[in-house]
Order: sequence, then C-alpha cells, then structure tokens
Amino acid sequence: QKEVEQNSGPLSVPEGAIASLNCTYSDRVSQSFFWYRQYSGKSPELIMSIYSNGDKEDGRFTAQLNKASQYVSLLIRDSQPSDSATYLCAVSTNAGKSTFGDGTTLTVKP
Amino acid sequence: DVKVTQSSRYLVKRTGEKVFLECVQDMDHENMFWYRQDPGLGLRLIYFSYDVKMKEKGDIPEGYSVSREKKERFSLILESASTNQTSMYLCASSLTREKLFFGSGTQLSVL
Repeated sequence: QKEVEQNSGPLSVPEGAIASLNCTYSDRVSQSFFWYRQYSGKSPELIMSIYSNGDKEDGRFTAQLNKASQYVSLLIRDSQPSDSATYLCAVSTNAGKSTFGDGTTLTVKP
Repeated sequence: DVKVTQSSRYLVKRTGEKVFLECVQDMDHENMFWYRQDPGLGLRLIYFSYDVKMKEKGDIPEGYSVSREKKERFSLILESASTNQTSMYLCASSLTREKLFFGSGTQLSVL
C-alpha cells in the first residue's frame, strides 16, 4: 500500500463545475497536509495547506481534512480551464519529510 | 518571492559519467531537498539537508550523494550515472521543512 494515495484520474469537469480531488494516507502520525498544483512541463507550486480537522477555504479552493478517516480532499469551485493541471497531495510528519501522492490530472473543459 | 534556481533545464550524459546538479535558493532557507519525478511513481525524495554540511537520506538515496557547503546551495551528485537515473530532478527549499518551493527542474537523460 502506498503511503499517500490519490484518485488515479484523469478527472474531467465542465467549466463552472466543482472539481473534487481526494487523497488518503496511511501514517497516522502525519501532521501537515498540502496540495500542490503542477502545470504540464512545470514544477509543483503550493496552493493549500491544512493542519487541523475541518475545512479551510482560500478563494475558489477548499481543503478538507479528516484525520480519523485519514482523508484529505481539495474542492475547486467554479472550475476554470486555467485550473487544468495535475494536483499533488503531500503529507508531512514531525520529521519534516513530505511524502507525495502520484497526482490526479484535472481537465476543465470550456 | 522565493527563487530556487537549478543550473540546467536539460542535461544529456553518458553511462558512467559523474554528474553534478546544482541548486541555489535566495531566501535564506534552512532546508533544501532533492526529489526525482517519474511517470507513475510520483515525486520521490532522494536527500535533504536542514543545515550547512548536514544531510539526511530520503527514500531513494542509492546511487546519489549530496553536498551543502553553503546555506544557499545544495548539489546532487550522481557518482556513476546509469540509464535508470534518467528522470526529472526537482530541487526544493523550505523555511519550515513542510511548505516546499520548487525549482524549475532538470530533465536528465543518461544514454
């Protein structure tokens, strides 16, 4: 079992819809959770971080964390073609090493 | 803005060559990381460093070494390049060891 698992994708949604990206992790001592966006041919960039159970909103992005279920998700509201990218879930323990999922590729169709 | 600069965008080397990948950050970050990214395998941590002259093995250190003589510079060394080290190499820096800022990557091909 991988330490961090994401929907295999690809995920395709129409413009204006909500895109839902999911991630599960196996290490219960994980403390910090991140979502990175990676455009094709580019390097990952951090878009969201979440540390406690519940929801965290930033513009059109909402990260959700449920430590009991070892589950973290990213919702993108009013999806735009410019949101088309691969989204990487990353999980970090106190040791500070981030473990990444394989990523989910999102396509937003105009 | 944090800037993490990797010396080469594309690199082609021969099997058995010694290869140096350089990374420089301009934000005085304590922590620096080297990852490789392969299709279907995601991002995997090779080595990281949390201070000058300090280094820690990541998940896949075999065949690699690192050097950190100055705070802003973290070098990845392939002692004897092999074809299975063909990959995209990503350097990252971080103030907190968690929120990573990535360089633009080096696509290494070993022939």
